[in-house]
Amino acid sequence: QKEVEQDPGPLSVPEGAIVSLNCTYSNSAFQYFMWYRQYSRKGPELLMYTYSSGNKEDGRFTAQVDKSSKYISLFIRDSQPSDSATYLCAMSFDQAGTALIFGKGTTLSVSS
Amino acid sequence: EPEVTQTPSHQVTQMGQEVILRCVPISNHLYFYWYRQILGQKVEFLVSFYNNEISEKSEIFDDQFSVERPDGSNFTLKIRSTKLEDSAMYFCASSEFGVPYEQYFGPGTRLTVT
Repeated sequence: QKEVEQDPGPLSVPEGAIVSLNCTYSNSAFQYFMWYRQYSRKGPELLMYTYSSGNKEDGRFTAQVDKSSKYISLFIRDSQPSDSATYLCAMSFDQAGTALIFGKGTTLSVSS
Repeated sequence: EPEVTQTPSHQVTQMGQEVILRCVPISNHLYFYWYRQILGQKVEFLVSFYNNEISEKSEIFDDQFSVERPDGSNFTLKIRSTKLEDSAMYFCASSEFGVPYEQYFGPGTRLTVT
């Protein structure tokens, strides 16, 4: 089973807020966990990836993976209007050429 | 910064016609992928390609679909006889050898089947 669930939102926050985006999954064999950002009618843009469990920080973005709960999160600090987009979680097995399995995406709107 | 490019950006075709979608992956990448996204739906994996062979394909990728790397730079997706339900955004992606999780996507081709 390759299901990845993500609340589609929409999520509206004021500028400067901390945003929390989440995904759950069912297949415990997933090893890589990615977050992509997608603007309307554009291709997904890779933001961050995490291997197995743990945290990873990149500027205002922090990704967390809890494999025991099959739950991943992306936190955005000091959100900006330019962060307004759809955020997609994606997962894969540890295998060359393997598929990314995406969530449906959460639409975020940050107002100034 | 290197990027994946796709042509055309929008393709309109009639049901039953063949279409070829083209992609130029990032030059030092060795794995190539096609995904599709039906309006309002998830991005779905179609196929991955490495060393002139299909590595993995999904249930969506049936006999109507084929992929090819006709030369050293292009990667194509062919749909032999399009159906209305093939209308979607088609994304090409590529990744380096050894880092399959870092897949970089192109801007997509919007396919409309009438």
